[in-house]
Amino acid sequence: QVQLKESGPGLVQPSETLSLTCTVSGFSLTSYSVSWVRQPSGKGPEWMGRMWYDGDTAYNSALKSRLSISRDTSKNQVFLKMNSLQTDDTGTYYCTRDDYGGYHDYWGQGVMVTVSS
Amino acid sequence: DIQMTQSPASLSASLGETVTIECRASEDIYSNLAWYQQKPGNSPQLLIYDANSLADGVPSRFSGSGSGTQYSLKINSLQSEDVASYFCQQYNNYPDTFGAGTKLELK
Repeated sequence: QVQLKESGPGLVQPSETLSLTCTVSGFSLTSYSVSWVRQPSGKGPEWMGRMWYDGDTAYNSALKSRLSISRDTSKNQVFLKMNSLQTDDTGTYYCTRDDYGGYHDYWGQGVMVTVSS
Repeated sequence: DIQMTQSPASLSASLGETVTIECRASEDIYSNLAWYQQKPGNSPQLLIYDANSLADGVPSRFSGSGSGTQYSLKINSLQSEDVASYFCQQYNNYPDTFGAGTKLELK
């Protein structure tokens, strides 16, 4: 069955870089796109960026200058790196499988990230 | 970016009642709209896509409708397991954007 699992540090210092890994199973990264979506506590989700099935990437323009998404298809992993973190980057970070249309049909369990000194 | 405005922000309803949640887009999104359910402590789960198509495994008491800029999610015969937050998402334009959510509680 389709599964996605996020991993990474729960605490990041302000101005430092966040690195997260999404490990997928049950589908191929060369057939489906994977997005990163984050959600501050009590608020709506925010789409951050996408690794397309063909290896191309797309980013939310609000985050583009700080964000990088890459993948390793041999390990079934998608990576997120975001620099210059601030306290308003605190929230739960999810990776999702995307249907070709653009909606998110499967979500990982999420990883809670706190930006604090 | 397209703004998605959900209403109401919170809702209290009784078991067996019919509930409707609205979502308005700041421009036409041509039915490229999804609804998600998020139970406390869990990740969002897809309910509806393409405005009115039910995702796999979703009970038939959930339905979606709408077109243009106005969309709605209806829950017939409310069950206790439907207590959750509900979000709409448009995927017609980059970046895809979500509503702020509707929190549904039991009366």
